[in-house]
Amino acid sequence: NAGVTQTPKFQVLKTGQSMTLQCAQDMNHEYMSWYRQDPGMGLRLIHYSVGAGITDQGEVPNGYNVSRSTTEDFPLRLLSAAPSQTSVYFCASRIMIGSYNEQFFGPGTRLTVL
Amino acid sequence: AQSVTQLDSQVPVFEEAPVELRCNYSSSVSVYLFWYVQYPNQGLQLLLKYLSGSTLVKGINGFEAEFNKSQTSFHLRKPSVHISDTAEYFCAVIVMNRDDKIIFGKGTRLHILP
Repeated sequence: NAGVTQTPKFQVLKTGQSMTLQCAQDMNHEYMSWYRQDPGMGLRLIHYSVGAGITDQGEVPNGYNVSRSTTEDFPLRLLSAAPSQTSVYFCASRIMIGSYNEQFFGPGTRLTVL
Repeated sequence: AQSVTQLDSQVPVFEEAPVELRCNYSSSVSVYLFWYVQYPNQGLQLLLKYLSGSTLVKGINGFEAEFNKSQTSFHLRKPSVHISDTAEYFCAVIVMNRDDKIIFGKGTRLHILP
């Protein structure tokens, strides 16, 4: 199993550009999430999905869109990049079976917006 | 609103000394609790988790944590740290409500001094 994969690992954008951060998992997990990590802020939830076709907003959704057409993929779209979106982005997938609950993280995408 | 508080943003400790990283949460309902570790320039890795059962939980790399319901705490401990433990540590909680979101603390950076 590859686990949770993210591409690209690094990206530099200019203000106003758009791009899509890719995330895929091969563990057949229904629950997937996107977080951003900023110094001193911990991880903040951007969007999450409890299954294909179902998405919802997290703590900091503004400026980001998501879709979930398949169980495996959960792309994050930046519509018009802003310097405030400079951050490290982590995708995660989660197994929830009864009381068993564990989340697995991808390696992250480091995004710089100039 | 539910929250997770990591009381120390940075903890310096000498090599081979014991360490405790503190975590408190606020919730009036049942929770699952987690500690994650993030080594420099890497993603997050699960250290240990409390889902149910024994309140003393043992994790990887010699770490353990104790769930204290009355004090709403889940402090992480290690009896003797090594230079390789240099990392950032995140406490996280899942609150048993309809969306089961994972809420992260802001992190504690552990500095191991030679």
